[in-house]
Amino acid sequence: DQQVKQNSPSLSVQEGRISILNCDYTNSMFDYFLWYKKYPAEGPTFLISISSIKDKNEDGRFTVFLNKSAKHLSLHIVPSQPGDSAVYFCAASEGSGTYKYIFGTGTRLKVLA
Amino acid sequence: DSGVTQTPKHLITATGQRVTLRCSPRSGDLSVYWYQQSLDQGLQFLIQYYNGEERAKGNILERFSAQQFPDLHSELNLSSLELGDSALYFCASSWGQGESPLHFGNGTRLTVT
Repeated sequence: DQQVKQNSPSLSVQEGRISILNCDYTNSMFDYFLWYKKYPAEGPTFLISISSIKDKNEDGRFTVFLNKSAKHLSLHIVPSQPGDSAVYFCAASEGSGTYKYIFGTGTRLKVLA
Repeated sequence: DSGVTQTPKHLITATGQRVTLRCSPRSGDLSVYWYQQSLDQGLQFLIQYYNGEERAKGNILERFSAQQFPDLHSELNLSSLELGDSALYFCASSWGQGESPLHFGNGTRLTVT
């Protein structure tokens, strides 16, 4: 049972435009959400997170939106740059108690110059 | 550099053998997580330790075991290896309390022949 789903395996965007990566989850107990970026031959790198008490968190070009009623989160990258080309994973945790971080299957973003 | 060190980077071994993967967490992090990534799949949570104690378990096979030592480094032991165990094994660390992101090492690529 995949509790965290990234339904788009890949996405191509022109340089300078907005990239929107989506993630859905099924476990209503999740209360902490994260996005990671992964380049080949490297481990995932933490990008940005959001707590369930918020609906938006911004860090530079990266913004994460959380819609708890829809059990949906998205990562916006504006403007997209060629160096953003990577695989992006969303992850979720129940926080207190279990501290398990469940990851989605990833979306491969390609930013075209 | 995430500060999480994993050794070895690559491991090639035969079916039926046993291997040990090692992880040193970031300075100050008390929690260590192990994940498996097979062939462009998502990151599958295996097990988590906090300050030497097992805290959460995922889909970890009985042939696999882990421990966290007093100096907080961790080892993942994989025994009776099968071809299907070939994967990237990532270690991640976090402070371990409340909402804290995971920081990943660059992984150990295990190939079972």
